Amino acid sequence: GENVGLHLPTLSVQEGDNSIINCAYSNSASDYFIWYKQESGKGPQFIIDIRSNMDKRQGQRVTVLLNKTVKHLSLQIAATQPGDSAVYFCAEGGAGSYQLTFGKGTKLSVIP
Amino acid sequence: SQTIHQWPATLVQPVGSPLSLECTVEGTSNPNLYWYRQAAGRGLQLLFYSVGIGQISSEVPQNLSASRPQDRQFILSSKKLLLSDSGFYLCAWSPLRGEQYFGPGTRLTVT
Repeated sequence: GENVGLHLPTLSVQEGDNSIINCAYSNSASDYFIWYKQESGKGPQFIIDIRSNMDKRQGQRVTVLLNKTVKHLSLQIAATQPGDSAVYFCAEGGAGSYQLTFGKGTKLSVIP
Repeated sequence: SQTIHQWPATLVQPVGSPLSLECTVEGTSNPNLYWYRQAAGRGLQLLFYSVGIGQISSEVPQNLSASRPQDRQFILSSKKLLLSDSGFYLCAWSPLRGEQYFGPGTRLTVT
């Protein structure tokens, strides 16, 4: 039968508040990082990426922060809405590799 | 703009039956293509990737295989399904090296 799935970390946020989702990456040679959003039953959706020569990048209502010193990545969502409820996971990629390494994900629940 | 399609969306197959999942990409040429499996509550497991027609790299030994008969077509197959093959199968494409864009997925249930 199927293996029991891992329990994802969950973040519950009140509608209208800001959300911060964190990710620790492992490879100091990674030179680009991506955040994905995955709604139930759907494929992951690209949100925003950042290259290693940057420490901050902003999109529409989202900001990604990169701290290479401690190998930490965060996604900030401003004015969180019910439609933001999903699993969010980070990915890292390195020069010379065709592959991405994905984090396990954080489930964001927005309380109306 | 680029779009990626997968079909079927859902599939229920008995143990021991064959499998064929198809993925096609529009709006780009010579993409890298990927097959992933996502089990319930787990992360993405890379199964195969391809950097060109007929070029397939396997990441996990199993009873699945992949083929790329055309530049923008990627097929995942099995001759005999196992119960453990159940899961959510995702196809993705990327430019040379960089962000990957995922298809809508196929939910496979092996009974």
